[in-house]
Amino acid sequence: EVQLLESGGGLVQPGGSLRLSCVGAGFTFSNYGMTWVRQAPGKGLEWVSAMSGSGGSTYYADSVKGRFTISRDNSNNTLFLHMNTLRAEDTALYYCAKDVGEKSGLTAFDVWGQGTMVTVSS
Amino acid sequence: EIVLTQSPGTLSLSPGERATLSCRASQSFAGYLAWYQQKPGQAPRLVIHDTSNRATGIPARFSGSGSGTDFTLTISGLEPEDFAVYYCQQRTNWPRMYTFGQGTRLEIK
Repeated sequence: EVQLLESGGGLVQPGGSLRLSCVGAGFTFSNYGMTWVRQAPGKGLEWVSAMSGSGGSTYYADSVKGRFTISRDNSNNTLFLHMNTLRAEDTALYYCAKDVGEKSGLTAFDVWGQGTMVTVSS
Repeated sequence: EIVLTQSPGTLSLSPGERATLSCRASQSFAGYLAWYQQKPGQAPRLVIHDTSNRATGIPARFSGSGSGTDFTLTISGLEPEDFAVYYCQQRTNWPRMYTFGQGTRLEIK
């Protein structure tokens, strides 16, 4: 069964840092692009960042560019999101998700984790 | 940046009826329009990708269509498990960005 499991969320003060992890299982992790999508409480979905399967291409939403860094360790089937200079508006449930197709170029996302909650507050 | 506007905001229908959800883009783009279903307390679930391709395990009553700036998700013969929030999502090639619509809540009438 294809699964994704996020971890690393928590309560952090404004200006602080956090690293999220997403472990994949049941598929050839390195063959799939991956993405992070967040959802503030009671709000809609917001794309955050994406990375190709090889890790050679990375993409960011304007709202996080320069503060967040996406990376992956294909030997351990893990995707990361390094978050710096956190703001109150970054408070959300953070999901990782995998590309619908093998090497399909990150068009849509067919398997999602259950999310990890990040709360930025003093 | 392309903005996706979904309509209606809320759609109230009865089981067995046909649902038509709209997603309109602020400018035309080529392909890569997806639809997701989200139920309370659950992660989103991919329903349609590349405008009209049903995701694995999605029943045939779900169909997607459209091009340019206007896209539609149709659910023919609503089942009780179909009532949820639906989001459309597009991919822009340059710069590479992904945008979600604000969602349509499909509720039981």
